[in-house]
Amino acid sequence: QQQVKQSPQSLIVQKGGISIINCAYENTAFDYFPWYQQFPGKGPALLIAIRPDVSEKKEGRFTISFNKSAKQFSLHIMDSQPGDSATYFCAASRLQSGNQGGKLIFGQGTELSVKP
Amino acid sequence: DGGITQSPKYLFRKEGQNVTLSCEQNLNHDAMYWYRQDPGQGLRLIYYSQIVNDFQKGDIAEGYSVSREKKESFPLTVTSAQKNPTAFYLCASRSRVQGNLYEQYFGPGTRLTVT
Repeated sequence: QQQVKQSPQSLIVQKGGISIINCAYENTAFDYFPWYQQFPGKGPALLIAIRPDVSEKKEGRFTISFNKSAKQFSLHIMDSQPGDSATYFCAASRLQSGNQGGKLIFGQGTELSVKP
Repeated sequence: DGGITQSPKYLFRKEGQNVTLSCEQNLNHDAMYWYRQDPGQGLRLIYYSQIVNDFQKGDIAEGYSVSREKKESFPLTVTSAQKNPTAFYLCASRSRVQGNLYEQYFGPGTRLTVT
């Protein structure tokens, strides 16, 4: 119930293409879904996040699509660039302050490589 | 310069030795977290603290200990009881964005190698 399943494990995309990473969750109490980007040897950086009251959120080339009924959410990277090559993690959490301090449950990660 | 500082960046220890990883933040965040990252796996929560002098076990607390004596500091000790301590350790803190919406921010990590 606490798991977040992420796919694919690795992804190779040509420059200018669309990168799509998918996540699925089981716990319907989750109400916050962030995506993190991590470069080798660095800590993850918050990229974009969504609440379940909207079906889509866009920030620049990055878009989260959220399907509440299917309990799935995905990250789309438009016009992918070599500089986007990194590991991407989805996560889920319950925002209620009394619940384990906003503990994030992370997916397994997707290693994205954008070829020039 | 605000942020989360972890030191050292690389740490080498012999098996059987305890080792303490440092995490400091000057963001005035109440909540702090320790995660462990292994190749090909997501981040797994070791311990977290919502307030000074209080902390809770995460999913993989066995073999680890923490303290939270100051708001700014949340050190993690990897004890000799941890069976497989070699990993990348990440510290994070949490800020309130608005209402009950919070965001977690990560430090640069410490890579611990135990031989």
